[in-house]
Amino acid sequence: AQKITQTQPGMFVQEKEAVTLDCTYDTSDQSYGLFWYKQPSSGEMIFLIYQGSYDEQNATEGRYSLNFQKARKSANLVISASQLGDSAMYFCAMRDFYNQGGKLIFGQGTELSVKP
Amino acid sequence: GAGVSQSPRYKVTKRGQDVALRCDPISGHVSLYWYRQALGQGPEFLTYFNYEAQQDKSGLPNDRFSAERPEGSISTLTIQRTEQRDSAMYRCASSLAGQGGQPQHFGDGTRLSIL
Repeated sequence: AQKITQTQPGMFVQEKEAVTLDCTYDTSDQSYGLFWYKQPSSGEMIFLIYQGSYDEQNATEGRYSLNFQKARKSANLVISASQLGDSAMYFCAMRDFYNQGGKLIFGQGTELSVKP
Repeated sequence: GAGVSQSPRYKVTKRGQDVALRCDPISGHVSLYWYRQALGQGPEFLTYFNYEAQQDKSGLPNDRFSAERPEGSISTLTIQRTEQRDSAMYRCASSLAGQGGQPQHFGDGTRLSIL
C-alpha cells in the first residue's frame, strides 16, 4: 500500500539558515509524483513544489528545492534562507499515476518554526 | 473566481442532521477532489471527479457520505444523519487534469462541528 512518512513532528531553524524536511514514501508503482504543501496557521493549503518519478533533475521553485533520491524512496524538501513567514506545517504527498488515479496520499506533516 | 471556493466556512449542527458542503473549483479545472483533515493531521482522500463523473469514492467512510458534481463544475458533499465523529475540516481541491503532475489547489475548507 502507498504510504508517506514524515518522521519530524517539529523542527526549528534560525532565520536565514537552510532547513531540510524529511519525507520517505512507499509505493510499488513505477510512475508517480511527489508534492509538498505548506499550511500556515491560517489554515490554507499552499502548493509548493512537484517532482515526477521520471524527472532526472531535482525540482526547484525559488527558495524551495526537492532532494529526490529514488533508490532510497525519499523526497526531502530543502528551504534555503529561511524567513519568519516560513513558519508553518509542511505536508509531503504522493500520487501514483496508474493504480491510485487522482488521489493524493499525505504524510503526517512537519511543523517548522523559524526563529528570529 | 481566482481560487477554489468552499461554503460555508463553518458549520455547526446537531447530531442526526444532514449537512451539505459546497465546492466551487477554479474555472476550467477538470478534476475535483474532496478530503477530510483532522486537527494536526494530513488530509485524507474521500472522493474525486473528472468532469461530472465520480472516478473514485473509495475514501468515503460509509454510506452516509455522498458527493455529486452534476454539471462538471460545482460539487456538493452531503453527510446524512451526522455523528460526532464526522467533526473535521472538509477540504475541496481542483486541478487542470486528474493525471500526471498537475498540482491540486485547495480551498480554505469547511470546519464542521457536530454537537
